Parts: sequence; C-alpha cells; structure tokens
Amino acid sequence: AQKVTQAQTEISVVEKEDVTLDCVYETRDTTYYLFWYKQPPSGELVFLIRRNSFDEQNEISGRYSWNFQKSTSSFNFTITASQVVDSAVYFCALKTALGPSGSARQLTFGSGTQLTVLP
Amino acid sequence: GAGVSQSPRYKVAKRGQDVALRCDPISGHVSLFWYQQALGQGPEFLTYFQNEAQLDKSGLPSDRFFAERPEGSVSTLKIQRTQQEDSAVYLCASSPGTVSTNEQYFGPGTRLTVT
Repeated sequence: AQKVTQAQTEISVVEKEDVTLDCVYETRDTTYYLFWYKQPPSGELVFLIRRNSFDEQNEISGRYSWNFQKSTSSFNFTITASQVVDSAVYFCALKTALGPSGSARQLTFGSGTQLTVLP
Repeated sequence: GAGVSQSPRYKVAKRGQDVALRCDPISGHVSLFWYQQALGQGPEFLTYFQNEAQLDKSGLPSDRFFAERPEGSVSTLKIQRTQQEDSAVYLCASSPGTVSTNEQYFGPGTRLTVT
C-alpha cells in the first residue's frame, strides 16, 4: 500500500519569503512517480511538477524547485520569492507503475498544506 | 482547448435522495478517474475507467456508489440513498493514455452537501 504524509497543515509567510513544503512517502514499489499539485480556492487541482523514482536529480523551474531524496523517502517542494497568488492548498501525490490492471494508475494524495502568503 | 468539466458544481441533497454527478473529460482522453475529497483532506481514489471499461472500482465506499462511462467519453457517478457522510467534493480527472507517467487533468469538482 502507498502512503503520503504532509506533516505541515498550515504555513504562513510574508510575500517574497522562500517557503518549503515537506512531503514523505511510503511505497514498496521500486518504480513510482511523485507529483505536486496546487488547489486554489476555486477548487481545481493544478499540476505543478512530476518526478520519476529513477531520476534523483533535483531541478529548478522558475520560482519552483524540489528536493527528491530516496534515502529518506522525501520529496520537498520550495517556492522562492513567494507571492500572494501562491496562496493555496498544496498536495503531494504518489503513483506507482506496477500492480493490478487499473489500480496502479491512481494517485495517492497527502492531506495537503495550506499556504498563506501575506502581502 | 477545453479542460475537464463537471456538473453540477454544487448539489444539495436531502438524506436518502439519489444524485448523479457528470464528468466531461478532455476530448480523446482514454483514462478517467473519480476521486472523493472530504473537507480538509486530500482526494481519495474512487474508480478508474479505461475507455468504457471500469477497470478498478476498489475505492467505491459502498454499493450505493455506482459509476459508468458507456461510450468511453462522458462519465456519471451516481450515489443512491445519500447519507451525510457522502458530503464531499467529487473530482473527476482524465488522462490521455494508460501509462502511469501520464499526467491527470482535474475538473473543478462537484461539491455535494447532504442535509
């Protein structure tokens, strides 16, 4: 079974501060995919980034960066120079590649972190 | 192009009523997922379709929940004899293929409130 834990329920920062959202995952599969989604007040989940289990290279994309560490099963997400528009709930999610037909393709989500960026 | 759409956006039902929630996936998307999101929680998987075939319904919480996708495009999630614990946002997502690397595109959800 898979599990995703986001220990931070709420984070509040002032605009232009950097903020890191933590994510710890559990899976017995050797091939899996990790995602970050953003859910603004409108409710629609917006895809941000995806990482494959076989590629531990960390990257930066604009103001977003992520730190994937297999040794600690962590997939942390950082927003640099935060903006008020970044205020949303952020979800970390896991998808495995193997398993019974259909079931491997579902996303397992964490409980989310509410980020509030104050002006 | 159009994204995933869901209707209605909001639904209030009295306990015991039946409801039907509709999902229009992105045109041509093979895979379709339904998730249930309780207040303050992350979405939880309900069921998965590949074209018209329902390949996984392991997440449906009871036999009161039923989903269909008869022509491999639009899907309907039906809840019979609604209970208060069914109150949640129901999210639909579609994906262009069937492999796990495919990204899932989510709709805005239907917020169901059972009174």
